Amino acid sequence: GDSVTQMEGPVTLSEEAFLTINCTYTATGYPSLFWYVQYPGEGLQLLLKATKADDKGSNKGFEATYRKETTSFHLEKGSVQVSDSAVYFCALRGSGGSNYKLTFGKGTLLTVNP
Amino acid sequence: DTGVSQDPRHKITKRGQNVTFRCDPISEHNRLYWYRQTLGQGPEFLTYFQNEAQLEKSRLLSDRFSAERPKGSFSTLEIQRTEQGDSAMYLCASSLTGTDGNTIYFGEGSWLTVV
Repeated sequence: GDSVTQMEGPVTLSEEAFLTINCTYTATGYPSLFWYVQYPGEGLQLLLKATKADDKGSNKGFEATYRKETTSFHLEKGSVQVSDSAVYFCALRGSGGSNYKLTFGKGTLLTVNP
Repeated sequence: DTGVSQDPRHKITKRGQNVTFRCDPISEHNRLYWYRQTLGQGPEFLTYFQNEAQLEKSRLLSDRFSAERPKGSFSTLEIQRTEQGDSAMYLCASSLTGTDGNTIYFGEGSWLTVV
């Protein structure tokens, strides 16, 4: 079945540092890929998405490129802020008959220190 | 657009009691989903509705769990005879179908603690 593997955290960075959170997936067909962010005690917010190979999703300075050849969707940000501290989830939405649900990775906790 | 609303946000209950969570999706969304998230894990799919029809249920949804969406608008998730292992956050989400249906929007979740 579909699966998502994220780099294990926690990740601790200083403000203005460069961020990469790795995400790889296993799926049949052509899934859509997502990054969601979860702040403490809250639900999930969609951060960015990409629906086909080579698409780049971007939002709030975060970027991720859908790489079908490496089955990856790594999240990057050039300069993190303290307010970026949260848990980040990579997810995929299957194509065809499984397109109704999201499959999530375990999440990566990011802490940004001033 | 008020987003997906869930109620209550927090619930503490004694083992063996029944609990019910309510979800109000984004108003024009015809798909509604329930997920469960335990500490340190990503959300796991439980079930989803298209309009009032429940189209898929995960094997995680034991017989003690029941979800309804009677008029195709709000939904309820009931857990009967709660167990400590039911302690988790229950997330509701909604989306459209079709080409705009690719984005699933989540509510803020309902935390359940079974003591």
